[in-house]
Amino acid sequence: DAGVTQTPRHEVAEKGQTIILKCEPVSGHNDLFWYRQTKIQGLELLSYFRSKSLMEDGGAFKDRFKAEMLNSSFSTLKIQPTEPKDSAVYLCASSLRDTLYFGEGSRLIVV
Amino acid sequence: GDQVEQSPSALSLHEGTGSALRCNFTTTMRAVQWFRKNSRGSLINLFYLASGTKENGRLKSAFDSKERYSTLHIRDAQLEDSGTYFCAAEHTNTGKLTFGDGTVLTVKP
Repeated sequence: DAGVTQTPRHEVAEKGQTIILKCEPVSGHNDLFWYRQTKIQGLELLSYFRSKSLMEDGGAFKDRFKAEMLNSSFSTLKIQPTEPKDSAVYLCASSLRDTLYFGEGSRLIVV
Repeated sequence: GDQVEQSPSALSLHEGTGSALRCNFTTTMRAVQWFRKNSRGSLINLFYLASGTKENGRLKSAFDSKERYSTLHIRDAQLEDSGTYFCAAEHTNTGKLTFGDGTVLTVKP
């Protein structure tokens, strides 16, 4: 079985651009999470979907971050407009019960 | 082999008491993070440490990269502290996270 697939693996954006990150969860998993990983804060929850329904939207990240799950096998995270402080690794994870399966992450650099 | 060993796997406390969770690492890690799984299944960040200790309310965490361990201390446990706690360690070179297997904490009246 394929694991969690994230694209692109790397992205460089100019300040103010719109960035869309993509995630394909493990087939059959009901839960999908978006996390941001930085060296300062570690892992921070951005969004959480259960059976395609948004369960948590990460509070502080509502402003310029929007995650969508158009179908059970695909999710996007849109950052609009990007700012330099958004530079981080964005991780997607899925789970069926308790175990989280993480993707390799999308490394975003905003200049 | 497993690079993060979390213990205990289950812990039962009476209200008002305290205990510690521990994660041992088989290799040097550059940082550790402690999470609690909330009622919806999301991992909520408790602490992120690159060294030393941090304290937040009734929780305190320590990380010793050289000795390859981290601890999460809970004092004056409350019923609402019940849940599953995870540690996750960042590998020094890659930054990739390796999670412990979790500790199921049950706080009883």
